[in-house]
Amino acid sequence: AQSVTQPDIHITVSEGASLELRCNYSYGATPYLFWYVQSPGQGLQLLLKYFSGDTLVQGIKGFEAEFKRSQSSFNLRKPSVHWSDAAEYFCAVGHLGTYKYIFGTGTRLKVLA
Amino acid sequence: EAGVVQSPRYKIIEKKQPVAFWCNPISGHNTLYWYRQNLGQGPELLIRYENEEAVDDSQLPKDRFSAERLKGVDSTLKIQPAELGDSAVYLCASSLGLAGGPREDTQYFGPGTRLTVL
Repeated sequence: AQSVTQPDIHITVSEGASLELRCNYSYGATPYLFWYVQSPGQGLQLLLKYFSGDTLVQGIKGFEAEFKRSQSSFNLRKPSVHWSDAAEYFCAVGHLGTYKYIFGTGTRLKVLA
Repeated sequence: EAGVVQSPRYKIIEKKQPVAFWCNPISGHNTLYWYRQNLGQGPELLIRYENEEAVDDSQLPKDRFSAERLKGVDSTLKIQPAELGDSAVYLCASSLGLAGGPREDTQYFGPGTRLTVL
């Protein structure tokens, strides 16, 4: 069965520091992978997605993610975090043909001034 | 372009009362989803529509939950009667779906309705 694991429930970084949020998935075929961000009281906003091709994906707000098949990972990175990046981040895996997404439990990011 | 619209944004009801949520998807999106997001969790799919047809409702608790998508555009999710455990955020999302093919099937989410059952 498909599953998504986000090992870090909370992460705190200083403004200007680099960021990496981890995501591991379990899926029997090539997955479709997504990162969404959710600010308090808001819906989910798509940051980036991977369907195929280049394993390094660029997204909005300066985020990028790298698909590593050998590690079943799709980690999200940002070289320099801004205070406005404080939010909850969700990784999701999609299933070809059913359009069904499985979400991880999220990582809450706190940014220190 | 307008995003996914949901109303109300917040709802507080007493248990055993009915409640309904409304969703207007992005124009042209054939596929509509309802998710439930419990506190501290990721969203979980309740039901997916392709146009007017509910093609995946396997996770919908059918004894108390119902949904409809008349004319293949707006959708309503209803709970009757509500229970304490139904307190959650109910998210609506839409995508191009079959019309766009898998590559285009990116789900866009609305702001959600936060339901509190007392």
